[in-house]
Amino acid sequence: AQSVAQPEDQVNVAEGNPLTVKCTYSVSGNPYLFWYVQYPNRGLQFLLKYITGDNLVKGSYGFEAEFNKSQTSFHLKKPSALVSDSALYFCAVRDGTSGTYKYIFGTGTRLKVLA
Amino acid sequence: EAGVTQFPSHSVIEKGQTVTLRCDPISGHDNLYWYRRVMGKEIKFLLHFVKESKQDESGMPNNRFLAERTGGTYSTLKVQPAELEDSGVYFCASSNSYNEQFFGPGTRLTVL
Repeated sequence: AQSVAQPEDQVNVAEGNPLTVKCTYSVSGNPYLFWYVQYPNRGLQFLLKYITGDNLVKGSYGFEAEFNKSQTSFHLKKPSALVSDSALYFCAVRDGTSGTYKYIFGTGTRLKVLA
Repeated sequence: EAGVTQFPSHSVIEKGQTVTLRCDPISGHDNLYWYRRVMGKEIKFLLHFVKESKQDESGMPNNRFLAERTGGTYSTLKVQPAELEDSGVYFCASSNSYNEQFFGPGTRLTVL
């Protein structure tokens, strides 16, 4: 079965420091991976995706993610955190087994950037 | 280009009442998905439409939930009768491919 794990409920980081939000996955076949962010009282906003190609994917707002096939991980990173990055982050994998291509989400990680 | 819109943004109802959530996808998007996040848990798939046809409704919790997509445009999700465990945030998403889905702001449903 397809699954996604986000092992940390919350990540705290000081402003200006690098940040990492972890995600591991389990899929059959090639993984299609996504990161979304939810700001307070807002919907899910697309950050970036990995379909194929370079293992380092660059996305919106200065975020990037590294696809690691051997470790089945897709960690979200940013070199220098901003207070405005504080939000709820979701990792997702596309489930292609059913033909509907629905997303399987992790439980979310709350990022708190401290001034 | 307008994004995915959902109405209402928040609904508070009593147990046993009926609630209808609406989703307007991005124009031209044939694929429409409903998801739900119960407090603190993962976002879970409910069902998928292609135009007006249900492709996959394997995530629908039970027969108290009914989804429709009239004419392949907007979609409604009706909960009747609502139970306490139905509380959560209901997200709608649309796409014109099977890569990236665009999500709406969600409807927060509270059942008292």
